[in-house]
Amino acid sequence: DAGVIQSPRHEVTEMGQEVTLRCKPISGHNSLFWYRQTMMRGLELLIYFNNNVPIDDSGMPEDRFSAKMPNASFSTLKIQPSEPRDSAVYFCASSLDRGRDFSETQYFGPGTRLLVL
Amino acid sequence: AQSVTQPDIHITVSEGASLELRCNYSYGATPYLFWYVQSPGQGLQLLLKYFSGDTLVQGIKGFEAEFKRSQSSFNLRKPSVHWSDAAEYFCAVGAKGAGSYQLTFGKGTKLSVIP
Repeated sequence: DAGVIQSPRHEVTEMGQEVTLRCKPISGHNSLFWYRQTMMRGLELLIYFNNNVPIDDSGMPEDRFSAKMPNASFSTLKIQPSEPRDSAVYFCASSLDRGRDFSETQYFGPGTRLLVL
Repeated sequence: AQSVTQPDIHITVSEGASLELRCNYSYGATPYLFWYVQSPGQGLQLLLKYFSGDTLVQGIKGFEAEFKRSQSSFNLRKPSVHWSDAAEYFCAVGAKGAGSYQLTFGKGTKLSVIP
């Protein structure tokens, strides 16, 4: 099992540019989560999908952020336009939700380290 | 809304010494609790989780945690620390959403190990 795959691992961009982060969840998993990690705020849930449908995007900071999951094996998190305060590590995680309470484990990818200059 | 507090930002222990990392949570219902570890430049790896039943939970790498409802705590312990345990440790509480559950993380405790 390859685990959760994220790309790119590192991204350096200039303010105002569009940034797209990619995630491939573990095969067979039906829930996908995007988190952001910063020194100031720690780990925050941005959005999560269940069966490719966005369930809760209340953690998305503002309209500059958008996320899609066109199929069960791929998701993107897009920032347009990017700003220096978006600099952070972005994690994707996936789990298999069988409908039982909390039996699932969330498996995290290695993260994308984003620096916006 | 749920929340997690990890009172210790940074802890330093000697190799071979025992370890206890503190975690306090706030949640209105029965909590579902997790400990994750993050090595530098890496993602998070699950150490252990508590859903119900025995309040002493065993995890990987020799770690264990004890759920104490009366104290709203879920402290992580290890009897003898190894140098490879140096990492950042995160406690999290799970809350059920519409389709799955959401994790709320504490700010983390960084563990340094002295040889």
